Amino acid sequence: DVKVTQSSRYLVKRTGEKVFLECVQDMDHENMFWYRQDPGLGLRLIYFSYDVKMKEKGDIPEGYSVSREKKERFSLILESASTNQTSMYLCASSSSRWSGNTIYFGEGSWLTVV
Amino acid sequence: GQSLEQPSEVTAVEGAIVQINCTYQTSGFYGLSWYQQHDGGAPTFLSYNALDGLEETGRFSSFLSRSDSYGYLLLQELQMKDSASYFCAHPGGFKTIFGAGTRLFVKA
Repeated sequence: DVKVTQSSRYLVKRTGEKVFLECVQDMDHENMFWYRQDPGLGLRLIYFSYDVKMKEKGDIPEGYSVSREKKERFSLILESASTNQTSMYLCASSSSRWSGNTIYFGEGSWLTVV
Repeated sequence: GQSLEQPSEVTAVEGAIVQINCTYQTSGFYGLSWYQQHDGGAPTFLSYNALDGLEETGRFSSFLSRSDSYGYLLLQELQMKDSASYFCAHPGGFKTIFGAGTRLFVKA
């Protein structure tokens, strides 16, 4: 089974702090994603990466950056956390080898910024 | 732009059949996927339709009509454990776009 592991399940950070959310996948997938999920808004794509050191902006990249130094690891960085970034963050991965592009998600990281 | 529209909530009775609709507007088309998410859990893949017609997987079926830009997820013999949110998604290459989700409430 594909496993996508997010390092932190629940975090509470202060406004202005730098926040790192880490994600690791074990299926040698080329593609990795960070989504944000808010009630009534569904899943919104923040950034994605289709290869090591490659990254592309999603629909809501403002206030976020990402890092992919190794194929299995994709990190989301909040340079200066703000209260409007309180949300659930979902990491995901997929293979490029199938056109259906099934997305495998981690369990999510609940971030509260106070 | 791209968008997928689905109802925000649906309520049905245990043992019944329920249909969750999804209409989409996309630039290019790569099929329609469905995901299930229980409260506090991760979304999990249910089905994918690349071509028109019905795909069946046990109690769940998914339908696609490309000419109508429309699809649906059909859940039969509803069980309490089917209470969850269901998302339609457009797997557009690297950038999968999700609908806002339909919250299904199954009542006894």
